[in-house]
Amino acid sequence: DAGVIQSPRHEVTEMGQEVTLRCKPISGHNSLFWYRQTMMRGLELLIYFNNNVPIDDSGMPEDRFSAKMPNASFSTLKIQPSEPRDSAVYFCASVGGAGTEAFFGQGTRLTVV
Amino acid sequence: SQQGEEDPQALSIQEGENATMNCSYKTSINNLQWYRQNSGRGLVHLILIRSNEREKHSGRLRVTLDTSKKSSSLLITASRAADTASYFCATDYGNNRLAFGKGNQVVVIP
Repeated sequence: DAGVIQSPRHEVTEMGQEVTLRCKPISGHNSLFWYRQTMMRGLELLIYFNNNVPIDDSGMPEDRFSAKMPNASFSTLKIQPSEPRDSAVYFCASVGGAGTEAFFGQGTRLTVV
Repeated sequence: SQQGEEDPQALSIQEGENATMNCSYKTSINNLQWYRQNSGRGLVHLILIRSNEREKHSGRLRVTLDTSKKSSSLLITASRAADTASYFCATDYGNNRLAFGKGNQVVVIP
């Protein structure tokens, strides 16, 4: 397997624009997580899905953030409208079973100017 | 959510020396995991220790867990230049959700 695949790797956008980040989890993994990493706050869990269903979105900072998982092989994280404080590295991770390790993608570095 | 906290936060050692990092957490956990992150890259899982385990080894890595003190340590023996990275502890507080510490930057000088 190629691991967790995220796209794009880098995204630069202007404030107010919509941003969509994409993730393909490892085949067969039934849990998918979105994390955000910043210098100030470190790594934070935004939302996670189990069997394509959003279970806990309490980490989503504002209503401008939304995430979907239409099928087992694809998830999106959308920010609309984007703001400079959303600049961060966004990671997607998938887990194959309860109490096992997470496999992280390479991340999307988002810069909002 | 809880947060792991590593100590110390920056470590510079000579190749061949051992590196030790500590992590503390606040509430009960299912397991504790350590990850490595090279600059500009994703996180790579190193080792997982369950709440009923006290020590675990994987190659040059040794992890301990003390649930009574809510702390863990990661030891890297015989360090190599390639071990230069940031190291994070993460606690699984349920349903594979991870709470990460701020990370330790380790620099191994050749």
